[in-house]
Amino acid sequence: KAGVTQTPRYLIKTRGQQVTLSCSPISGHRSVSWYQQTPGQGLQFLFEYFSETQRNKGNFPGRFSGRQFSNSRSEMNVSTLELGDSALYLCASTLGGRNTEAFFGQGTRLTVV
Amino acid sequence: AQKVTQAQTEISVVEKEDVTLDCVYETRDTTYYLFWYKQPPSGELVFLIRRNSFDEQNEISGRYSWNFQKSTSSFNFTITASQVVDSAVYFCALSEATGGGSQGNLIFGKGTKLSVKP
Repeated sequence: KAGVTQTPRYLIKTRGQQVTLSCSPISGHRSVSWYQQTPGQGLQFLFEYFSETQRNKGNFPGRFSGRQFSNSRSEMNVSTLELGDSALYLCASTLGGRNTEAFFGQGTRLTVV
Repeated sequence: AQKVTQAQTEISVVEKEDVTLDCVYETRDTTYYLFWYKQPPSGELVFLIRRNSFDEQNEISGRYSWNFQKSTSSFNFTITASQVVDSAVYFCALSEATGGGSQGNLIFGKGTKLSVKP
């Protein structure tokens, strides 16, 4: 079956702009989570969506937001981009239960200049 | 507060050597889940193993083995007879029951970069 698909793979944006990243989970998966990976902070949890509702949220400013559609596809948005937002953004999908394996996409590499 | 520490930033071994990646965690929950992931250069995280806090049995899967010890809050990962294809960054992660216990809310260590040279 198809894996987790993240688009675009690479993105360059200017400070102050906003950006929207997309994640298509594995068919049948209802939970989508987003993570930010940077060399300094490592992998940090952004938020998790399950059945179109945000189930968990990490410690990120309100400039980071997300949503999930009825087909489980998810988008995350970052407004007023800062240089420090340059990172690899990873999306993971699971069936949604406690003991279900998470499958990760290859990520979107965002560079803010 | 919850935390995962991987003290080894980088490890370099020669093919066929055994290597152990250390992971120490902190949590106040009595129910939690521990994971190991592998991140090859392509970027996606590949799930290796999950352990819940009530299951301290060690696990072996081929050349991989894991040693979970609640007494020392450690969940170490050993690769036996390492191969060049094992070169990657390995992450240990924690999920607490209060956070839903799902893999959707993982606290990751900083990772250990393993280089296996031929």
